Amino acid sequence: GAGVSQSPRYKVAKRGQDVALRCDPISGHVSLFWYQQALGQGPEFLTYFQNEAQLDKSGLPSDRFFAERPEGSVSTLKIQRTQQEDSAVYLCASSLMLGLSTDTQYFGPGTRLTVL
Amino acid sequence: KQEVTQIPAALSVPEGENLVLNCSFTDSAIYNLQWFRQDPGKGLTSLLLIQSSQREQTSGRLNASLDKSSGRSTLYIAASQPGDSATYLCAVGVQGAQKLVFGQGTRLTINP
Repeated sequence: GAGVSQSPRYKVAKRGQDVALRCDPISGHVSLFWYQQALGQGPEFLTYFQNEAQLDKSGLPSDRFFAERPEGSVSTLKIQRTQQEDSAVYLCASSLMLGLSTDTQYFGPGTRLTVL
Repeated sequence: KQEVTQIPAALSVPEGENLVLNCSFTDSAIYNLQWFRQDPGKGLTSLLLIQSSQREQTSGRLNASLDKSSGRSTLYIAASQPGDSATYLCAVGVQGAQKLVFGQGTRLTINP
């Protein structure tokens, strides 16, 4: 595709609801990343996939957060029992190579999650 | 743990001025450093990527430098324009981990 796409762009959830955020990376990109960006802050790393394998999930803030990429393309970030502190913009990024020093990450527009 | 700091947090300058944005990081074990631009409600756009073995990169009116030993990078913007108004983010690629660590950003406003 032309770029990384994410859906929905905006999501409002009541506290305690489960949400699912989708990321469509650039076609052929091996690496996929999820970041969380709180208001006025820089993005913070959540998790990383190489094809379908989740190689790093060290940034996931709790066991309520779960990510998958079952066929090595589209990825879903799921948040269970949402809390107000989960309110943030969730950014997805993809890259072509395997984390080489020349590898640029291409970002999607993000999903703005608001938990009431 | 790698920490990235950007100074200043916000900057407002008249159109046409040259300006410098600063980024510092605590651990020199990086594989690259990237500068991104973020417009309100939008994702991040990569501006420049400097490999750990490089000292600088240039693209148009933008020049980024990297001094790994001192843990510093600067983004120089020449002849600023109102369209340059955005938040600029610095991010380092962490050695041994496939992730970027970001600074908090500098919110830049160019006044016509």
